[in-house]
Amino acid sequence: DTAVSQTPKYLVTQMGNDKSIKCEQNLGHDTMYWYKQDSKKFLKIMFSYNNKELIINETVPNRFSPKSPDKAHLNLHINSLELGDSAVYFCASSQDVGGYTFGSGTRLTVV
Amino acid sequence: AQSVAQPEDQVNVAEGNPLTVKCTYSVSGNPYLFWYVQYPNRGLQFLLKYITGDNLVKGSYGFEAEFNKSQTSFHLKKPSALVSDSALYFCAVRGNSGTYKYIFGTGTRLKVLA
Repeated sequence: DTAVSQTPKYLVTQMGNDKSIKCEQNLGHDTMYWYKQDSKKFLKIMFSYNNKELIINETVPNRFSPKSPDKAHLNLHINSLELGDSAVYFCASSQDVGGYTFGSGTRLTVV
Repeated sequence: AQSVAQPEDQVNVAEGNPLTVKCTYSVSGNPYLFWYVQYPNRGLQFLLKYITGDNLVKGSYGFEAEFNKSQTSFHLKKPSALVSDSALYFCAVRGNSGTYKYIFGTGTRLKVLA
């Protein structure tokens, strides 16, 4: 069973569209995250939820909106996509001071 | 503010030789320190962590890391490198002040030459 699963794995879309990425974890972790990895492989945190409560909200355009319907799910919705949004988006989860478990990533390409 | 630095973009080492990937950090209070590995087109995988206790931490795939408080370092090491160790390695730090935010280093590409 995949511990942290993201869908879709690849997403190619036109500028201006709205898209969503879904993430689910079956580890029973309380905390989930979204990270963005750019073309230089830099990892930047975007959001974090702890038990459905938003606890980290970095400087991210408000076109990005996370939603956590329950502690096992954290989705990312992006409005009005721009070329600069092209990146790999990783979902992760953790419990207490344990390490992260990452999903395999969603490669978003905006054309 | 917490930060983590990986001073080397790339480390090359011959197969069978020992390897070191460097990491230094800055955090208020006691740090929680982590190493992750990323293979091409894959997510990051947890290698090891230091929370408290013994300064030498052993992890997956024969890797270990040494926590050095005076030098604020947490270098990743392996006694004998394998070609299959070639990947991108990330160091991460979190403070113990209650925030759940982990800061990642910029990554070091390890290339093990046959």
